[in-house]
Amino acid sequence: DQQVKQNSPSLSVQEGRISILNCDYTNSMFDYFLWYKKYPAEGPTFLISISSIKDKNEDGRFTVFLNKSAKHLSLHIVPSQPGDSAVYFCAARALDGNKLVFGAGTILRVKS
Amino acid sequence: DTGVSQNPRHKITKRGQNVTFRCDPISEHNRLYWYRQTLGQGPEFLTYFQNEAQLEKSRLLSDRFSAERPKGSFSTLEIQRTEQGDSAMYLCASNAGRGEKLFFGSGTQLSVL
Repeated sequence: DQQVKQNSPSLSVQEGRISILNCDYTNSMFDYFLWYKKYPAEGPTFLISISSIKDKNEDGRFTVFLNKSAKHLSLHIVPSQPGDSAVYFCAARALDGNKLVFGAGTILRVKS
Repeated sequence: DTGVSQNPRHKITKRGQNVTFRCDPISEHNRLYWYRQTLGQGPEFLTYFQNEAQLEKSRLLSDRFSAERPKGSFSTLEIQRTEQGDSAMYLCASNAGRGEKLFFGSGTQLSVL
């Protein structure tokens, strides 16, 4: 059962434009959501997170939006840079806080 | 800050052989996690430790898999009688406690021929 879904396997964006990566979840018990970025041959690295009591969190070029009623979150990257090209994973934390559930990832390509 | 360290980075083995991977977490982290990632999928939870105690195991962790963290520091993940379906990236992560974000190592890429 895929509790966290990233329905777009890939996204291609021009440098300087906005990148929007989407994520849907099915379990309303998730209380915290995170985005991780992964380069080839490296482990995922934490990017940004949001608590379920908020609807927006911003960190520099990265903003995460949460729509609880739609069970949907999105990551906005503005402006996109070639170095942002990576796989982006959406993850959700269950209430017991003991593990993260990941989506399948979206490959972002930023073209210069 | 040395980060999470995993060895080896790559392992090629023949079907039926046993393999063991090692993970050294960030030193002050008392929680250690193992995940598995296959091509086109996100990391899937396998098991986690708090100090030396293994507190949860996924259904994905068959009887051929065993993980240990004997002194609450490094951890090993052993796969016995490997199968081709075991080919994956095995990721280790650690954090300082419940609810904290995970810090991942670079993973061990296992190929079973």
